[in-house]
Amino acid sequence: SQKIEQNSEALNIQEGKTATLTCNYTNYSPAYLQWYRQDPGRGPVFLLLIRENEKEKRKERLKVTFDTTLKQSLFHITASQPADSATYLCASRGGGYNKLIFGAGTRLAVHP
Amino acid sequence: ETGVTQTPRHLVMGMTNKKSLKCEQHLGHNAMYWYKQSAKKPLELMFVYSLEERVENNSVPSRFSPECPNSSHLFLHLHTLQPEDSALYLCASSQGMGEQDTGELFFGEGSRLTVL
Repeated sequence: SQKIEQNSEALNIQEGKTATLTCNYTNYSPAYLQWYRQDPGRGPVFLLLIRENEKEKRKERLKVTFDTTLKQSLFHITASQPADSATYLCASRGGGYNKLIFGAGTRLAVHP
Repeated sequence: ETGVTQTPRHLVMGMTNKKSLKCEQHLGHNAMYWYKQSAKKPLELMFVYSLEERVENNSVPSRFSPECPNSSHLFLHLHTLQPEDSALYLCASSQGMGEQDTGELFFGEGSRLTVL
């Protein structure tokens, strides 16, 4: 079945460093991948979308890559700040009617 | 108001109660969704409505009953729930649902449900 996997372990990094989160998909070829940010007790917020024909997309300190050979997307936050601490979710269309499949998310903690 | 609004934010109910979750979107979107989020598990899609018509039902137990009276409002009626139904229930909306739509979801803040 179609699956999206994210590293379930929390990622702890020092302020100012680059955080890199991984999203792997199996058993299908999504036309695009989306990334969301979720703070505790809140709903996810859309951040970025990257299409299969795009290798890289940037938005301010965020960068997303899409490697269809590795079946993987990487999400980077440069010059990370404590305010970037949150859970980051990867999602893609799983088939029909805009049905988005989500990964379980990776929790990022940026320490001062 | 803007965005997607969910009420109540917190709900505690017994297994024999009947309650409803409400969602309202002010974005002019055509599609609305209910997702369930349990601890350390991916978001699970429960129901999808497009233009007030249900187009997806992911084999959700009948103790969950959705209602979409118009494109701005979505309800989730709850009855005889089980403790394992305790979770964060998220409502979302999107502009379109076609194959060409990339369909970014706009989520509400969620309703935290506890079933005793």
